[in-house]
Formats: sequence, C-alpha cells, structure tokens
Amino acid sequence: DTEVTQTPKHLVMGMTNKKSLKCEQHMGHRAMYWYKQKAKKPPELMFVYSYEKLSINESVPSRFSPECPNSSLLNLHLHALQPEDSALYLCASSRGSGTDTYEQYFGPGTRLTVT
Amino acid sequence: QKEVEQNSGPLSVPEGAIASLNCTYSDRGSQSFFWYRQYSGKSPELIMFIYSNGDKEDGRFTAQLNKASQYVSLLIRDSQPSDSATYLCAGRSGGYQKVTFGTGTKLQVIP
Repeated sequence: DTEVTQTPKHLVMGMTNKKSLKCEQHMGHRAMYWYKQKAKKPPELMFVYSYEKLSINESVPSRFSPECPNSSLLNLHLHALQPEDSALYLCASSRGSGTDTYEQYFGPGTRLTVT
Repeated sequence: QKEVEQNSGPLSVPEGAIASLNCTYSDRGSQSFFWYRQYSGKSPELIMFIYSNGDKEDGRFTAQLNKASQYVSLLIRDSQPSDSATYLCAGRSGGYQKVTFGTGTKLQVIP
C-alpha cells in the first residue's frame, strides 16, 4: 500500500486566517515532505522531515510553519498568507534509509485559495 | 541553471504507438531518477524509478538511464489515450531526501 492521505482537499482562507493542512502515511516511511505546486510548474520543495526532525527548509517564509507530531503525521500551519500563496500543496513520504532509491509517494494534495 | 531539463511538449503520438520522453540532467552526482505521471489537477503518481545504467521495464513502461551522457528516458509502448498527462522527470542528488524535478513533458495520445 503506497497511500498518503491529505486533508482537507480544498481550502479557502482569508489573509488574516490561521489554518492547518494535514498529511498522514502508514507505510512506515521515515521521511516526509511538503511541496508547493503552481499551475503548469513542477512541485517545489518546501520542507523535509527525516525521523521526525526538520532536515530541510527551502527558505520558506515564516507564514508557513511545519510540524511533525510523529512518524506518520505531518502538518503545515498557515498564517497571514498572501494571494500568491494560492497553489496545490502536496505531501510526500519516502523510506528514510537502507535503500538507494528513496522514491517519494505523493498524497492527493490540498488545493489552497487565499482571498 | 536548471538541473533537470525536459522538453515541455506537447508530444503527440497516435494510439498504439511508442511514446518516448526524454530528460537530461546536469548534476553528475545524481544517483536515482524517477518518472511521475500527473493528470491535470491531480497529484504526481510515481510510475518508474531507476538508478543503474541500462533499461528497466515494468509493463508497458521502460525507463532508460545513461549516466555517461546524463540522460534518462521513458518509453511507453502501446500508448493509450489514458496515458495523456504531464510526465515529470526527477533526479536525486545532494543527499537522499531532495529530488529535483524537471518542468515536465505534456503527452497527448491521439485516438
């Protein structure tokens, strides 16, 4: 089973709101990722958690705050977003070690609209 | 400078033909490569990965890797209209966690 789940599927929020995106995987993967994807562009890496520790932050603005409560869950807290942050937010997971390939499996994404 | 490059297409092939999708990369340290299929409005779906020189086959899909030429390709045999999507090539380098995506090639399979 290579399933990564994300909630909500769609989210509309105002620039003063606080909201959270959630991601869950039960594949025993130890690395989890947040990506942002704009239309007709490839996914753009935001954060990587490895063994529940933040290992990569791609200079993402502080209005995005990741959290990894345990090895199966990943959250992305949103606050004071801008309209240009509207995008598809993708969560992915991969095995953390012991293999050469580290293929990433994506969840279905959250379509975020900032008004 | 882009690290993974793909022709944006669209690449149009008739139904039943072989579709050939190509990708080049600039980082010689790249070790593993991935092909994702992405339908419009959906998330990327992993269809193949390869890390050794040569060919790797899975059903109608064959991935090819040539590290000397820094070239990766995906062949889709017996193309179907349902294969119409954007295909993203990605390479892993600079640590096991980070992959770099190409901009994707849009494939259209004409019935």
